[in-house]
Amino acid sequence: KNQVEQSPQSLIILEGKNCTLQCNYTVSPFSNLRWYKQDTGRGPVSLTIMTFSENTKSNGRYTATLDADTKQSSLHITASQLSDSASYICVVSCEFSGGYNKLIFGAGTRLAVHP
Amino acid sequence: DTEVTQTPKHLVMGMTNKKSLKCEQHMGHRAMYWYKQKAKKPPELMFVYSYEKLSINESVPSRFSPECPNSSLLNLHLHALQPEDSALYLCASSPKPGETEAFFGQGTRLTVV
Repeated sequence: KNQVEQSPQSLIILEGKNCTLQCNYTVSPFSNLRWYKQDTGRGPVSLTIMTFSENTKSNGRYTATLDADTKQSSLHITASQLSDSASYICVVSCEFSGGYNKLIFGAGTRLAVHP
Repeated sequence: DTEVTQTPKHLVMGMTNKKSLKCEQHMGHRAMYWYKQKAKKPPELMFVYSYEKLSINESVPSRFSPECPNSSLLNLHLHALQPEDSALYLCASSPKPGETEAFFGQGTRLTVV
């Protein structure tokens, strides 16, 4: 069964600190993996997208890693800001029939950054 | 323009009402999607339109009726909804059906009373 599991479910950190969010997946056939940031009541916004051959990708203070062998990914946030408070969703794309790639969503990690 | 625009942002409707959600993108994307998201849950795929034709219906009840009038617009017509249909409805688009970079709209917060 195609699944994406994220940990922790929720996380509280102080402003300025770093944190790392985890994503494990069992999706086949794998197409790519992306991290989205979703503010409460808003649509997800893409942070990074990685294919099978990419190990690391950065977007400002966000750095994502991918280990395709162990089927694990992480999202590292450096020097956190209050505006980083949001849900972070790991999404794995699975090749589907008819030329369509189905997105398998993780349940997300709810991050709260406190002053 | 790299946005997917959804209207309205909020909608409250009775169980006997008929309403429509609208989604618009001007990025030339040829695949558009409707997702439903309940609180603290990931989005669930409802429909996929590929080149203005419905290609995937994830067993969605008929009280939800999608429509794609042209390549830039996607509607979701609502009729006889139930309170449990209350959720955030997200529209997304991607360049082609096989492309995996999906751009999401801000969503419509629907409350059925």
